[in-house]
Amino acid sequence: NAGVMQNPRHLVRRRGQEARLRCSPMKGHSHVYWYRQLPEEGLKFMVYLQKENIIDESGMPKERFSAEFPKEGPSILRIQQVVRGDSAAYFCASSLAGGLGETQYFGPGTRLLVL
Amino acid sequence: AQSVTQPDIHITVSEGASLELRCNYSYGATPYLFWYVQSPGQGLQLLLKYFSGDTLVQGIKGFEAEFKRSQSSFNLRKPSVHWSDAAEYFCAVAHLNTGGFKTIFGAGTRLFVKA
Repeated sequence: NAGVMQNPRHLVRRRGQEARLRCSPMKGHSHVYWYRQLPEEGLKFMVYLQKENIIDESGMPKERFSAEFPKEGPSILRIQQVVRGDSAAYFCASSLAGGLGETQYFGPGTRLLVL
Repeated sequence: AQSVTQPDIHITVSEGASLELRCNYSYGATPYLFWYVQSPGQGLQLLLKYFSGDTLVQGIKGFEAEFKRSQSSFNLRKPSVHWSDAAEYFCAVAHLNTGGFKTIFGAGTRLFVKA
């Protein structure tokens, strides 16, 4: 049973370009979470999605960032017009259900570097 | 507001020595508490979690943690550290939020193991 998959593992973009990060949850998991980790910091919650629904996006910047989790295919975190401050590691996690005590399984992350 | 504090940015211990990583949380109700480990370039792996019941929780890789409500702490311990334990450790608390729940991570403690 494959774990959470993220691609690409590394992504380099120039300022103003778009970054698209993909996350395939564990088989059978319908809950996906995105986190951002800045250097020397912990993970910061961005968004929580269920299939075709955004449940909680309180951690998402109001502009340039969007996320989706379509009925078919991976979850996508999209960053438009990237700036240097977007450089970070972006982690996706998935869980079987959405309860408080549900274990989240993390992917290996996508490291975004904006030049 | 809910928060998680890991007072030690980094800790160095000798191989075979005991280890205790500190974690303090701020949350009004009974918290759901987690410890994760992150190896360089990897995602997070769950070590253990606490919801209720016995305040001493056993996890993987020989780790345990003790919930102390009076001190708002959830410290991670291991009686004998191995070189392979060198990694970054994150304490986290899950709490109910609008639309579901949110997990808040501490800033992490980096563990160095010396021979």
